[in-house]
Amino acid sequence: AQSVTQLDSQVPVFEEAPVELRCNYSSSVSVYLFWYVQYPNQGLQLLLKYLSGSTLVKGINGFEAEFNKSQTSFHLRKPSVHISDTAEYFCAVSENPGTYKYIFGTGTRLKVLA
Amino acid sequence: GAVVSQHPSWVICKSGTSVKIECRSLDFQATTMFWYRQFPKQSLMLMATSNEGSKATYEQGVEKDKFLINHASLTLSTLTVTSAHPEDSSFYICSARDSSRSNEQFFGPGTRLTVL
Repeated sequence: AQSVTQLDSQVPVFEEAPVELRCNYSSSVSVYLFWYVQYPNQGLQLLLKYLSGSTLVKGINGFEAEFNKSQTSFHLRKPSVHISDTAEYFCAVSENPGTYKYIFGTGTRLKVLA
Repeated sequence: GAVVSQHPSWVICKSGTSVKIECRSLDFQATTMFWYRQFPKQSLMLMATSNEGSKATYEQGVEKDKFLINHASLTLSTLTVTSAHPEDSSFYICSARDSSRSNEQFFGPGTRLTVL
């Protein structure tokens, strides 16, 4: 069965510093991978996704992620964070082909400090 | 494109009453929609898979008689929380699968349910 692990529950980082949010998954078949951001009392906003093709994926707001099949990872990175990036970030995996269900990680709270 | 709406965005109800939440795919047809629940400071947990024209598939531990799901058309799924209690208070999020876009799910903005 597929699963998603976000090892870091909280990541504090100073403004303009780089950040990496880690995501590892387990699956016996091919997967689609997603990163979502959630601001307080709001729904999910898609940051980026990996469906196929290039393993380096660029998303919105300057975020990017790299799919590493051998390490079963899909870490999210941003070279320089802003205060406005403070939010909860969720990694999700969907098996393809499969049930089309998304399994979400437990989330990482990114707190950008001034 | 690929917009999903939810109504209402928030609702407060008394204990023992039933609440219906609608999920609509506005610009595509969705044979499958999903319902998630999110407790404060926690992740999204899949509750059930809603299939157009057939019975919903519930995840383990989710009471199907408590959370009634109806997917009567290709653009609308409803979740009814029956005889709601304070422990049902949560953020409910739906998503719709677009088979024309690699079966990607598109998420609604969520519904905040508070049961007094």
